Amino acid sequence: EDQVTQSPEALRLQEGESSSLNCSYTVSGLRGLFWYRQDPGKGPEFLFTLYSAGEEKEKERLKATLTKKESFLHITAPKPEDSATYLCAVQAHNNDMRFGAGTRLTVKP
Amino acid sequence: DGGITQSPKYLFRKEGQNVTLSCEQNLNHDAMYWYRQDPGQGLRLIYYSQIVNDFQKGDIAEGYSVSREKKESFPLTVTSAQKNPTAFYLCASGDRTNTEAFFGQGTRLTVV
Repeated sequence: EDQVTQSPEALRLQEGESSSLNCSYTVSGLRGLFWYRQDPGKGPEFLFTLYSAGEEKEKERLKATLTKKESFLHITAPKPEDSATYLCAVQAHNNDMRFGAGTRLTVKP
Repeated sequence: DGGITQSPKYLFRKEGQNVTLSCEQNLNHDAMYWYRQDPGQGLRLIYYSQIVNDFQKGDIAEGYSVSREKKESFPLTVTSAQKNPTAFYLCASGDRTNTEAFFGQGTRLTVV
């Protein structure tokens, strides 16, 4: 069965303290891996799609990377406004999409 | 502005009542999805539709029903058969050429 596991569940950083969030997955035929940001009480906001191992994408302080078994979301010099829950999802070739439980990031000034 | 609109934002339901959540999109997307989000859990797929007049059950379809009479609209009915309906419900849409889905702002349903 396709599975997505995100770690850590929660992460507290000081402003400027870089770190990484992990998304481990097992899927029968990866069609795409997605990262979303979700603020409390809001719908997820799309960040990145990664399609194949070795691919990287960047947006402001965020950089997403992909291997055959996991993806990392690297946050460089985070700011308090980066505080949110970050969700990872994988889509198999049958179009089934599975979400992880998310990592709740808090960045303190 | 293009996007996905869910309404209402908050909904209260008495036990034993059916309730319908609205989802409308003007992105011209073929695919639409309904997810349920509970604290500490990932999003779970309730129903999805790849084309008008067709939809498929997701992992947790029991106690829910949908219709797809128009490309723009994909309403979700939470029936009295759903044993634990209190949750945050999210609607999403996507097109066939790109795989990512875009989400609405959600409806928080509370059974009182």
